[in-house]
Amino acid sequence: DTEVTQTPKHLVMGMTNKKSLKCEQHMGHRAMYWYKQKAKKPPELMFVYSYEKLSINESVPSRFSPECPNSSLLNLHLHALQPEDSALYLCASSHPRVSNEQFFGPGTRLTVL
Amino acid sequence: GENVEQHPSTLSVQEGDSAVIKCTYSDSASNYFPWYKQELGKRPQLIIDIRSNVGEKKDQRIAVTLNKTAKHFSLHITETQPEDSAVYFCAAITGNQFYFGTGTSLTVIP
Repeated sequence: DTEVTQTPKHLVMGMTNKKSLKCEQHMGHRAMYWYKQKAKKPPELMFVYSYEKLSINESVPSRFSPECPNSSLLNLHLHALQPEDSALYLCASSHPRVSNEQFFGPGTRLTVL
Repeated sequence: GENVEQHPSTLSVQEGDSAVIKCTYSDSASNYFPWYKQELGKRPQLIIDIRSNVGEKKDQRIAVTLNKTAKHFSLHITETQPEDSAVYFCAAITGNQFYFGTGTSLTVIP
């Protein structure tokens, strides 16, 4: 399996909802990333997990809460989001000791009403 | 931290012509420079990459050049086709952290 998968593909939520985004890879990668991307802008790094430990948190608001239950899974828990949080959320993975290349998932298109 | 600048922000070329996109970076510790193509509504796809110990790399119609001294690298697409139309992002990597350029929207006119 050489893909990063993400669910759901689309998500619409109200500002009071709680939802989660899921990311999965079975390539044995030990680094996983969450990015936020607005239209025609580059991906913005949110979080990095390295060997299941949070290694980078780019000053992301606490309404975004990442979780890495094991080396294959990465979640992003969402609570009390704002309309400006609407974006494409991309997950990526890499194997730091093998290659710098990051493999991106297809993304979750999030709309906050 | 690293700062990556990318130019131009938009580029239109006639089908069959060449397209060149340029990036500069600031951190001399950056050692890996990928280029991603992103079509509307899709994930970024790696199209070519280059490491700091190499000056040039080619894959069919796509080539990347790196000048470490000047801290710039460029993407060259020859014989462009309409399916090359997309947004292209360069990136510079230090450790396991990616720093993306601001993107170039390429349109190939048939």
